[in-house]
Amino acid sequence: GEDVEQSLFLSVREGDSSVINCTYTDSSSTYLYWYKQEPGAGLQLLTYIFSNMDMKQDQRLTVLLNKKDKHLSLRIADTQTGDSAIYFCAETLGDYGGATNKLIFGTGTLLAVQP
Amino acid sequence: DTAVSQTPKYLVTQMGNDKSIKCEQNLGHDTMYWYKQDSKKFLKIMFSYNNKELIINETVPNRFSPKSPDKAHLNLHINSLELGDSAVYFCASSSGTGRYEQYFGPGTRLTVT
Repeated sequence: GEDVEQSLFLSVREGDSSVINCTYTDSSSTYLYWYKQEPGAGLQLLTYIFSNMDMKQDQRLTVLLNKKDKHLSLRIADTQTGDSAIYFCAETLGDYGGATNKLIFGTGTLLAVQP
Repeated sequence: DTAVSQTPKYLVTQMGNDKSIKCEQNLGHDTMYWYKQDSKKFLKIMFSYNNKELIINETVPNRFSPKSPDKAHLNLHINSLELGDSAVYFCASSSGTGRYEQYFGPGTRLTVT
């Protein structure tokens, strides 16, 4: 199937670290992505990881990939109230780099940051 | 400059009507998409176009007809609107090659009454 699963909700205090988890389905996915959606807005690409990597760090964001378990996580260090949003992971299905390539989005995790 | 724009932002209409949503991107991308986000925030691809050619059609009812007059525009026309069509519709674009980064528009909230 094409189900990409995420936990629905995560609440953290400002300054703490947040970890958002995702389980994807296709072991042949070449890229895996994290998108952020703020209220009333479209999706914004936060970061991505190529499937031959285990970890990628980008400022406050750390992506961990466990291909064996098909598990992806996003860690946000020093979480701020401005990080409150819905976070979607996404995997790619289809021909690598081709026009038929498509994104399958996870169910989304609502991150609430308490001041 | 807005990269991916959609009009209108809000659309309220009655069942049975026909409506269109427009999308334009100024990124020079070859590939454009329509996504539907339901009330539970679940996001699913509907269509993709590459250089004005339909590439992906995800078993969407044929009441939905995308049209791409040129590669910078992808419009979505919906006939005989139903209550279940109420959702937020997002347009996106990508270069379609290599790293698969999609840029999303702000969304159109469609409410069918």
